Amino acid sequence: QLVLTQSPSASASLGASVKLTCTLSSGHSNYGIAWHQQQPEKGPRYLMKLNSDGSHNKGDGIPDRFSGSSSGPERYLTISSLQSEDEADYYCQTWGTGIVVFGGGTKLTVL
Amino acid sequence: QVQLQESGPGLVKPSGTLSLTCAVSGGSISSGNWWSWVRQPPGKGLEWIGEVSHSGSTNYNPSLKSRVTISVDKSEKQFSLKLTSVTAADTAMYYCAREGFGGNEHAFDIWGQGTMVTVSS
Repeated sequence: QLVLTQSPSASASLGASVKLTCTLSSGHSNYGIAWHQQQPEKGPRYLMKLNSDGSHNKGDGIPDRFSGSSSGPERYLTISSLQSEDEADYYCQTWGTGIVVFGGGTKLTVL
Repeated sequence: QVQLQESGPGLVKPSGTLSLTCAVSGGSISSGNWWSWVRQPPGKGLEWIGEVSHSGSTNYNPSLKSRVTISVDKSEKQFSLKLTSVTAADTAMYYCAREGFGGNEHAFDIWGQGTMVTVSS
């Protein structure tokens, strides 16, 4: 079964970096994913599509502070030089034959 | 650039049918993309409802499949969601989204702003 696992919460200080993790279920370690950001009281926003080899396609206007990487079944979103507006929920999303799946989301707090 | 706008009733009675439309502007709905509906109950995460291709093929979340119909109207540049036999558990913000990469890659690259639907008598 295709499942994405995310930690429910993360925190980091203003100006620091944070690395969020999305883990693919067993047998799906070669799948690509997408990362989406949802700021408080707003709709989701596409950040990037991240392939299993770590290559990624960022959305229009997404700052260079946002980057993605991959290792085995893990897909990462790294945000550097954290700003207050980065405080948001971050969701990973993947897809299989006839199915789309979201992770449970990580709530990022900027201290 | 492509923009998506959801519309439909904000209040639906229990056991009724929820009907929403997503209008596509700034681009073609026949560009080979798939188009999805996603919902988010208050305070919870995102749940995929289903998708439709430009040619009308569909895939649905197995947990909702028996109650969901998604269709596309290319002449009107819109796609629609119908969810039958609704209960309070269907109360959520409903989003439409484009899967913009084509082929077998169903990553969402454009989202609508969302529309809140409450199921209540």
